[in-house]
Amino acid sequence: SAVISQKPSRDICQRGTSLTIQCQVDSQVTMMFWYRQQPGQSLTLIATANQGSEATYESGFVIDKFPISRPNLTFSTLTVSNMSPEDSSIYLCSVKGLAGLDTQYFGPGTRLTVL
Amino acid sequence: AQKVTQAQTEISVVEKEDVTLDCVYETRDTTYYLFWYKQPPSGELVFLIRRNSFDEQNEISGRYSWNFQKSTSSFNFTITASQVVDSAVYFCALSERTGGFKTIFGAGTRLFVKA
Repeated sequence: SAVISQKPSRDICQRGTSLTIQCQVDSQVTMMFWYRQQPGQSLTLIATANQGSEATYESGFVIDKFPISRPNLTFSTLTVSNMSPEDSSIYLCSVKGLAGLDTQYFGPGTRLTVL
Repeated sequence: AQKVTQAQTEISVVEKEDVTLDCVYETRDTTYYLFWYKQPPSGELVFLIRRNSFDEQNEISGRYSWNFQKSTSSFNFTITASQVVDSAVYFCALSERTGGFKTIFGAGTRLFVKA
């Protein structure tokens, strides 16, 4: 499996500000995803990060709130914009395509608290 | 549309007991993958197993075993002789071809193993 790193690992932010989370993979991958895990909940897919084009968002998530970039096959960013306390969650980067599209691996997550 | 149901929210067992975690899935696709992930208290997601829709063979890995039955759309996970270190949240997940192989997760089952 690949080594997936995320920065920052955690942050405490003020309401109304924005935070950009970085995801770096140590090898090229076909697909990259961003998930949210609210406290005590399961993982919810936010979007698929597409290289060189706009991300594909799931129902309930919009680009203005969660802009995503993927400039190459090993790196992606997720921005949480105009944050509110409801955005307090763990945000996870995930990848597929190291050896086919059959298994998905996850980064360590970014724990975000919004005051 | 794809869906994963883990009806057991929490299970509590005493060490050395066997425990089965249930997973029922819904998909209209004939090509799909099923997964189990473990999320210990530290928070990282650990990949446990992958099964594709064309392979109904059950699998055993040490104290872990998985029972895949397409007839009942179930992919259950059994831990034999449970240990305290097995305490975690376990997620069942589904990835289907028509969904672009994005992975959706069940709600998770929190397993407590008491010494």
